[in-house]
Amino acid sequence: KQEVTQIPAALSVPEGENLVLNCSFTDSAIYNLQWFRQDPGKGLTSLLLIQSSQREQTSGRLNASLDKSSGRSTLYIAASQPGDSATYLCAVRGNTPLVFGKGTRLSVIA
Amino acid sequence: SQTIHQWPATLVQPVGSPLSLECTVEGTSNPNLYWYRQAAGRGLQLLFYSVGIGQISSEVPQNLSASRPQDRQFILSSKKLLLSDSGFYLCAWSVTLAGSSDEQFFGPGTRLTVL
Repeated sequence: KQEVTQIPAALSVPEGENLVLNCSFTDSAIYNLQWFRQDPGKGLTSLLLIQSSQREQTSGRLNASLDKSSGRSTLYIAASQPGDSATYLCAVRGNTPLVFGKGTRLSVIA
Repeated sequence: SQTIHQWPATLVQPVGSPLSLECTVEGTSNPNLYWYRQAAGRGLQLLFYSVGIGQISSEVPQNLSASRPQDRQFILSSKKLLLSDSGFYLCAWSVTLAGSSDEQFFGPGTRLTVL
């Protein structure tokens, strides 16, 4: 059974800092990995999707990498801003629909 | 462009009462549809998914059920709510086509409180 772990559970950084969020998964037989953002009381917003054949994807200040063989993904946020404060979730898709981690709650302090 | 709607946005129901949550998708055809629950302090739990009209797969045995009466409509129901049914219910969609990403997109959610 696929399990997804996100470390740390919470993170607080000063504005302008570059940061990395980590995601690990137990079964490397995945089709893709997706990173989401969730603001309090809101639905999930898709940030980046990496197919199993890809190593990384970039969107603006966000860069996600995937090392399928080691079961790891990272989300890199450059020059963090207070508006980046949210919970970030990663999810992997294998033979079953998405399996989610519990998320990392990020606070960017002005 | 595609949009996904959920209603109601919030709901407070007594224990033992029925439930009906609705999700509709616009701007796409034959989507895969999903119901998730997010309970306080817990991750997202997949409840049901559907790859077509009348086709429902259940991931978690419970007192909830799902139906897909139309291509872009997904309904979550219960005959008698339990306290443990409280949570944030999210609907999502994706499209699986040859060479596509199968990226999932989520609705705004329904906050359900069972008292």
